[in-house]
Amino acid sequence: AQSVTQLGSHVSVSEGALVLLRCNYSSSVPPYLFWYVQYPNQGLQLLLKYTSAATLVKGINGFEAEFKKSETSFHLTKPSAHMRDAAEYFCAVRTYSGGGADGLTFGKGTHLIIQP
Amino acid sequence: DGGITQSPKYLFRKEGQNVTLSCEQNLNHDAMYWYRQDPGQGLRLIYYSQIVNDFQKGDIAEGYSVSREKKESFPLTVTSAQKNPTAFYLCASSIRANTGELFFGEGSRLTVL
Repeated sequence: AQSVTQLGSHVSVSEGALVLLRCNYSSSVPPYLFWYVQYPNQGLQLLLKYTSAATLVKGINGFEAEFKKSETSFHLTKPSAHMRDAAEYFCAVRTYSGGGADGLTFGKGTHLIIQP
Repeated sequence: DGGITQSPKYLFRKEGQNVTLSCEQNLNHDAMYWYRQDPGQGLRLIYYSQIVNDFQKGDIAEGYSVSREKKESFPLTVTSAQKNPTAFYLCASSIRANTGELFFGEGSRLTVL
């Protein structure tokens, strides 16, 4: 089975400060990992994805994430936070069953708050 | 523009009534999914379909039903058997079931009065 755990339901940083959102995964097969962002009352938008190529993945809006197999982690970072980064962030892992891949399993989300 | 369209955006229902949420995609994707979102619980999979005329139960299928008669359409019915239907419902699609990357609609918010 596959699962993800996001550490911290809320993270608050000052504008211009480093953003670090933590995600740990569990997977019985080599994982495909994703970060999505959600603004209020909207759907999810893909930030970046890891699919077994380079371990440092760059995404949109200045975000990046590093896959660390030894730590089973896929933390999301951004060097300098902007007010527009305030949103809900979800880490996800590709899910497998006996019939093949079945979509994604999501973490519970981290609400990012940007202090002016 | 290609994308996923969910309707209605907001829906109110009385207890005991069935309601159907629409999801249409023009991305020519094979696979489609329905997720339910509740505060602090992330997204939970209700049903998914890897191909037309086939669908599978997800983690929380009880009280829900779906159909996949056309590639573009994957409607979700919330039945009166669903004990706590008030939630935000998200439809998604992917090129194929094994690609992982999902594209999401804007969501439908259902409130039971």
